[in-house]
Amino acid sequence: EDQVTQSPEALRLQEGESSSLNCSYTVSGLRGLFWYRQDPGKGPEFLFTLYSAGEEKEKERLKATLTKKESFLHITAPKPEDSATYLCAVQAKGGSYIPTFGRGTSLIVHP
Amino acid sequence: KAGVTQTPRYLIKTRGQQVTLSCSPISGHRSVSWYQQTPGQGLQFLFEYFSETQRNKGNFPGRFSGRQFSNSRSEMNVSTLELGDSALYLCASSSSTSGAGNTIYFGEGSWLTVV
Repeated sequence: EDQVTQSPEALRLQEGESSSLNCSYTVSGLRGLFWYRQDPGKGPEFLFTLYSAGEEKEKERLKATLTKKESFLHITAPKPEDSATYLCAVQAKGGSYIPTFGRGTSLIVHP
Repeated sequence: KAGVTQTPRYLIKTRGQQVTLSCSPISGHRSVSWYQQTPGQGLQFLFEYFSETQRNKGNFPGRFSGRQFSNSRSEMNVSTLELGDSALYLCASSSSTSGAGNTIYFGEGSWLTVV
């Protein structure tokens, strides 16, 4: 069974204080790993898709990296508007291809 | 390009009633999936439709059902509502023709409160 574990569950940062969110996964062959951002009361907003170990993608202050067992979402010099829940999901090769989601990391950035 | 559109955004229902939620996918996307999100359980997969056929189904009781129309628009229905059905219901669409390796894009969700 595919599993996704995100840590920490919650993270509080001061504006400008860089940090990383972790997504550990167990899957029988990775087809894709996805990162989403979700603001309270809204649907998840797509950020990145990573397909193979060593791959990296960046968007503004966010950078996602991927290894064979985990993915990191690095946040550089965060701003209060980066406050949100960040969700990670994996899609396995074979089977139904329905992504398995982690429980998310709730990030709060204080000014 | 318009995103995934869900209606209604908010609704309140009484126990025992039924509810229908609607979803219009991104233009050109033929796969539509539905998720339930609650604080306690996170995002849980309900079902996925492709070309008007249910292709995958999650572990939810038969009170939860859905359908997809020829224009890819989808509806989900929950009958005999229970208090525990209160949740954010999310629709997502994908361009995938085989369910493989494609990103899914979510709508804003429908907030259902059962009283």
